[in-house]
Amino acid sequence: GQQLNQSPQSMFIQEGEDVSMNCTSSSIFNTWLWYKQDPGEGPVLLIALYKAGELTSNGRLTAQFGITRKDSFLNISASIPSDVGIYFCAGLAGGTSYGKLTFGQGTILTVHP
Amino acid sequence: KAGVTQTPRYLIKTRGQQVTLSCSPISGHRSVSWYQQTPGQGLQFLFEYFSETQRNKGNFPGRFSGRQFSNSRSEMNVSTLELGDSALYLCASSSPSDRGHRETQYFGPGTRLLVL
Repeated sequence: GQQLNQSPQSMFIQEGEDVSMNCTSSSIFNTWLWYKQDPGEGPVLLIALYKAGELTSNGRLTAQFGITRKDSFLNISASIPSDVGIYFCAGLAGGTSYGKLTFGQGTILTVHP
Repeated sequence: KAGVTQTPRYLIKTRGQQVTLSCSPISGHRSVSWYQQTPGQGLQFLFEYFSETQRNKGNFPGRFSGRQFSNSRSEMNVSTLELGDSALYLCASSSPSDRGHRETQYFGPGTRLLVL
């Protein structure tokens, strides 16, 4: 099935460093969502974006909804060990795409203390 | 508010059997979506229910079905299980904002299904 192009696939960083990841699509989305998933658990919502150009922060996390509506990025500042996990972007199209999120492949984040 | 709950959390079945998974959405949420997560295919949309009606369906065979009850709780069923059905099955509930299409999905912990 269709997936968003999420990059990088994995990141190994030192505690305190900033992290940036992004998602691109050939299709337009009306909503972009960013999730974090820990092993054996469901994805947890981090940030929701609803408007092209929107920039939203949640603590050390900042995300933006691209102007073209085909991309989004997530930044994490001053990373800490508990940031370890898999980060997913997800897009929701309009029209009759009821309840259907399209996901990126995920970015595996490892933080070395 | 309590989050999305899914039961059971873990399940082991054999090929050919069928399985039913349950999802209770966040109180007040009327939309429930189901997803299959595997290492190879990632997160794939199965179907969505709203007010007991299936409004959208992904590209899965007819062995995968679901339903929603009047209290918004949802079940999904997989018949004639195959080895490839081993996956984490996730449900998510949402309640579109009254200001428009500000839909946000909240996920449950998932049901881990292993087919032997």
